[in-house]
Amino acid sequence: GQQLNQSPQSMFIQEGEDVSMNCTSSSIFNTWLWYKQDPGEGPVLLIALYKAGELTSNGRLTAQFGITRKDSFLNISASIPSDVGIYFCAGLKSSSGYALNFGKGTSLLVTP
Amino acid sequence: GAVVSQHPSRVICKSGTSVKIECRSLDFQATTMFWYRQFPKQSLMLMATSNEGSKATYEQGVEKDKFLINHASLTLSTLTVTSAHPEDSSFYICSARGEDTQYFGPGTRLTVL
Repeated sequence: GQQLNQSPQSMFIQEGEDVSMNCTSSSIFNTWLWYKQDPGEGPVLLIALYKAGELTSNGRLTAQFGITRKDSFLNISASIPSDVGIYFCAGLKSSSGYALNFGKGTSLLVTP
Repeated sequence: GAVVSQHPSRVICKSGTSVKIECRSLDFQATTMFWYRQFPKQSLMLMATSNEGSKATYEQGVEKDKFLINHASLTLSTLTVTSAHPEDSSFYICSARGEDTQYFGPGTRLTVL
């Protein structure tokens, strides 16, 4: 499947700072998903977006489904050390059997 | 949220043996499950789509005779790595399709000696 363009590849920030990462695609998706993966574990769903333009929050996390349906961003406000991990965006097309197309991931490091 | 379990979480085997990994959706029924493989510091790579009661659909380059998938019920899919070799060592993750999303299992670390 198509791999999404996710940036930045890595971020090294101080506790309390805000973080922003995004994903772009050359094709349209019906759904955008954001996952977090800790080392040695499976991805955990953070936010799911189903409509173009939709802005959804989950605690300190906010994500938006781009108007063109070809992009999405994730913001983390007031980062804390437990935010450390790899964040993946994923696009889903119902026409392709609900398989996910993943970004390459953004590795986040937070220093106290 | 929906819970997906995987068993075993970690397995070490000798080259030439077969290994079976189970993926279960614990609190919902999943007509479709997916199997991924992940190498260190890389994203997840879809191996195959597992549909309950029918044959799995494999991605290009994935050997169906080597990675046998069985989706016998709405809550269980199994991946069997046959005649495993060291290059099959990897992190294998399953997911189960929920309503317009996917829920992932915790992964299985396979090491082939």
